[in-house]
Amino acid sequence: DIQMTQSPSTLSASVGDRVSITCRASQSINDWLAWYQQTPGKAPRLLIYKASSLQSGVPSRFSGSGSGTEFTLTISSLQPDDFATYYCQQYKNYSPYSFGQGTKLEIK
Amino acid sequence: QITLKESGPTLVKPTQTLTLTCTFSGLSFSTSGVGVGWIRQPPGKALEWLALIYWDDAKRYSPSLKTRLTISKDTSKNQVVLTMINMDPVDTATYYCVHTFYYDSSGPRAFDIWGQGTLVTVSS
Repeated sequence: DIQMTQSPSTLSASVGDRVSITCRASQSINDWLAWYQQTPGKAPRLLIYKASSLQSGVPSRFSGSGSGTEFTLTISSLQPDDFATYYCQQYKNYSPYSFGQGTKLEIK
Repeated sequence: QITLKESGPTLVKPTQTLTLTCTFSGLSFSTSGVGVGWIRQPPGKALEWLALIYWDDAKRYSPSLKTRLTISKDTSKNQVVLTMINMDPVDTATYYCVHTFYYDSSGPRAFDIWGQGTLVTVSS
């Protein structure tokens, strides 16, 4: 099975900051990587798919990059609504899907 | 507009079987490529993928839970049912129903639409 590891587990930042979250896969997943945002009490929301494609309706301050085993989610200028928990997920074909453990983005 | 809604018991006893139903609108298993899956999240913990079923009845399961899970679909009712046997308190979680799609030309998609989730507590 493919293991996904996110870092950091917690990130403190301020409105307007540029932040990045890293996700590493235990084996190559090409670009079969998605990023989700979850706020307390709500279902996750898809932000990025295929490692770098922005889901419809998601602000352009969110971007994704990477391929193979290392991926990054970047938020260019944090807004108040962005303080949430972020999960990466691999969905490589013919493999069981798996999520990272999550990164909580907190207000500094 | 695609919507999904989970339903089922909020409380089950240890060793019992859990049956959850996902009822959806705005999509149909008559459409090639459609997939519906289940994901759970214990309180304060990470997401865990459980199972997935496609329009052609192909099914996929989490290896760690495969022996306890069964996923099925009812095309006429626009529903997907997940059963999990031998429930344990560690299975206490919010269970989400999700939509995906599989393109012959480019492979699977991520989970783009999520239900609101349903909290299931396992306790005697």
